[in-house]
Amino acid sequence: DAKTTQPPSMDCAEGRAANLPCNHSTISGNEYVYWYRQIHSQGPQYIIHGLKNNETNEMASLIITEDRKSSTLILPHATLRDTAVYYCIVRVAGTYKYIFGTGTRLKVLA
Amino acid sequence: NAGVTQTPKFRILKIGQSMTLQCAQDMNHNYMYWYRQDPGMGLKLIYYSVGAGITDKGEVPNGYNVSRSTTEDFPLRLELAAPSQTSVYFCASQGQGPFHSSYNEQFFGPGTRLTVL
Repeated sequence: DAKTTQPPSMDCAEGRAANLPCNHSTISGNEYVYWYRQIHSQGPQYIIHGLKNNETNEMASLIITEDRKSSTLILPHATLRDTAVYYCIVRVAGTYKYIFGTGTRLKVLA
Repeated sequence: NAGVTQTPKFRILKIGQSMTLQCAQDMNHNYMYWYRQDPGMGLKLIYYSVGAGITDKGEVPNGYNVSRSTTEDFPLRLELAAPSQTSVYFCASQGQGPFHSSYNEQFFGPGTRLTVL
């Protein structure tokens, strides 16, 4: 199963863009990349997902490299409420089975 | 819609006791999941189900059992509780649809915090 690697923590100034990287060098051609976040001890919340094209929604943008070995989640204007643990996840090909990594703890600073 | 509900919110067990963590969803989702999250760690998949009567193991299934007799409910059974099972347990559900669609969002419950002493 493909694994993901993320930096354990990052800081970002309020109002600035937060760029969260994820390495998934063993991803296979038909495995999707998902991003979730977890605020405090709540259940994780879906942010965005993609296969090979860049994606954007009301919460964030997802940039996937052409070789698909890494991706970046972009929060364009981070707020204090974006302070959370962000998980980059690969879904096992052909299944609905998801493998979470250890995540990046993002702290947005006032 | 209540979404995904879990009971109980908290529980303390003694070593060797058994219990069932309840999970229910009212969104008519086919897919349901159980994860555990140890302190400071990410989520680990325990079991998942793609529909009533169908379950499969995740990354860490040892010490747990599941059943899926209805679409709505997906209970997780702990037999012979051990301190290593102290964790927060999250249940999630997901609708069925094309891989590249909004059906791919997993909805999580609030979690059950379990301590085994």
